This record gives sequence, C-alpha cells and structure tokens, in this order.
Amino acid sequence: EAQVTQNPRYLITVTGKKLTVTCSQNMNHEYMSWYRQDPGLGLRQIYYSMNVEVTDKGDVPEGYKVSRKEKRNFPLILESPSPNQTSLYFCASSLGTETNYGYTFGSGTRLTVV
Amino acid sequence: AQTVTQSQPEMSVQEAETVTLSCTYDTSESDYYLFWYKQPPSRQMILVIRQEAYKQQNATENRFSVNFQKAAKSFSLKISDSQLGDAAMYFCAYEGGARQLTFGSGTQLTVLP
Repeated sequence: EAQVTQNPRYLITVTGKKLTVTCSQNMNHEYMSWYRQDPGLGLRQIYYSMNVEVTDKGDVPEGYKVSRKEKRNFPLILESPSPNQTSLYFCASSLGTETNYGYTFGSGTRLTVV
Repeated sequence: AQTVTQSQPEMSVQEAETVTLSCTYDTSESDYYLFWYKQPPSRQMILVIRQEAYKQQNATENRFSVNFQKAAKSFSLKISDSQLGDAAMYFCAYEGGARQLTFGSGTQLTVLP
C-alpha cells in the first residue's frame, strides 16, 4: 500500500530533551516536507526537500532540523524542544514532477513539550 | 509570499443539501495549483480535489466541485448532496513554482442529520 509512515503518533517530552520524528514513504517520491498544524493557523511548512541531500527552509524552520540521506526517509529533529513546539506535525510527499497530483500525508504526530 | 484566506471558520449544512466553502488567495504567479484537503476527526489529511491554474474548466470529483475564478483569485468548494461522512475540517491550499504548499486556516464543516 502506498503510504507515508510517521512515528511516533503521540509523544510527550520535556523541555530540552532532543527528539526525532521519523517519516518514511514507499512511493519513490522525490519531494518531501514537514508541516505543523496549530488551531486557527492551518498547516505551516517547516522544511522541505526536493531530493536526496537537498533541503530548504519553509515558513517556520526555527528550532527544527531535517536531513535527507535517503530518498524514502525525511526525519524531523528537535534538538532542544520548547513548549511552543507543542503541535500536530505532518509529513507529506509528492512525486515532484511539473504536474502535481497532490500530496500524500502521514497520519500525524501529536507532540507535547512540557 | 502567497497567502490563503478562508473566511468561514465554521459552517453547517443539512444532510442531502449543498454547501459552499470559500477560499481566496493572493499571488503574483500565473502558474500554480490549488487544492482542497479534508481532515476528519481521525486527523488524516485527504485530498478532495485539485485545480491547475492554467485550466479554465472547473475541477469536479463526484459530489465535490470547485468554482475557480482566476482573476478574482477565488477558489470555492461546493459539496452537493452532503453526507454525514463529509463532516470534517476543510483546508484550501496553494502551491506555486517554489513547491511550497500554503494552507488556509481551515473551515470546520458540520453536517446535521
């Protein structure tokens, strides 16, 4: 089944404790991205990647890191999480051609930083 | 930077009736894509419909259709014969040449039995 897999689905952590949210896709998509969803703000892009070893900042990159060492994986790293990073996070991928058929999203990760 | 505005935080519709969700956007680009995504309580993001800006014909997917007005930068979603399963948060989204997907703030749709 074609899908984007995010883990974990729920995570509660303490301020300053490094964490990684994993994202993997099995569709050979070139393009992957991370979003955070907050009430009243919709989804905002954190980082995106056009291909392996190519990443770029989105609208809200502060406090986050990403890497794209393999085509299928695009982990989101919070090296020193803070309470304002409490949010619902989504990973998404798309084929990356000029004709965009839309994005496939993961199931989301609910992160709480206390 | 592009912006997407959904001016209706909440909408309700009677089952079997028709409802229209509004979306406007701001851009200086001529070539772009527009999307409507549905997010049910399961929080999964589901693509409902997409529109390519260079196509004048409005996209249609079964009971879902759009009214795309390029000059007015408007992209509304019409849901016909509303069903209980249509209840969800709906997001309008824009993607331009930079491959950055910009979302509106969402419209929570309630379907009344």
